Amino acid sequence: AQTVTQSQPEMSVQEAETVTLSCTYDTSENNYYLFWYKQPPSRQMILVIRQEAYKQQNATENRFSVNFQKAAKSFSLKISDSQLGDTAMYFCASYLSGSARQLTFGSGTQLTVLP
Amino acid sequence: DSGVTQTPKHLITATGQRVTLRCSPRSGDLSVYWYQQSLDQGLQFLIQYYNGEERAKGNILERFSAQQFPDLHSELNLSSLELGDSALYFCASSGGGQGPRIGGYTFGSGTRLTVV
Repeated sequence: AQTVTQSQPEMSVQEAETVTLSCTYDTSENNYYLFWYKQPPSRQMILVIRQEAYKQQNATENRFSVNFQKAAKSFSLKISDSQLGDTAMYFCASYLSGSARQLTFGSGTQLTVLP
Repeated sequence: DSGVTQTPKHLITATGQRVTLRCSPRSGDLSVYWYQQSLDQGLQFLIQYYNGEERAKGNILERFSAQQFPDLHSELNLSSLELGDSALYFCASSGGGQGPRIGGYTFGSGTRLTVV
């Protein structure tokens, strides 16, 4: 079974600053994929960034980047130059390539960007 | 617009009733997933269908059932509703093969169910 843990229920950051959201996961598989989703007040689930476990290079999408530590099973999200529109709930999720083919989500971190 | 359509957007019903939530996946996607998000909680996987067949089952109650039709739209049926069933129900879709691994899922905007 796979589990995803987000230990920070809430975080805040000043506009234009950098913030890092933590995520750890547990799997015995070797081939898996990790994702960060954003859920703004509209409640829409929006894919922010993804990482393939077999790739050593950390994924980057504009102001969003990840720090993927495979041995430690850690997958943190860094948001640079935070903007008010980044205020949202952020969910970390894992996906296995084997039989359990569904996204497993963490409990989420509510991020508030302060003006 | 994500391409995944869920109807209705809001639903208010009484305890003991039965409701049907509908999902049309993104064009070309064969897999449909249903998730439940209770207030201030994460998303709990309910069930997955692939091209009309049930593929995986999560923490779905026996009072709940789902199906995927030949045109690939899916319906989630919730019966004997209880107050605790109040939640946001998401449908997501993905393509076959590499789709879910590369792009994750595409989510609909959800159906907010309130049981009173």
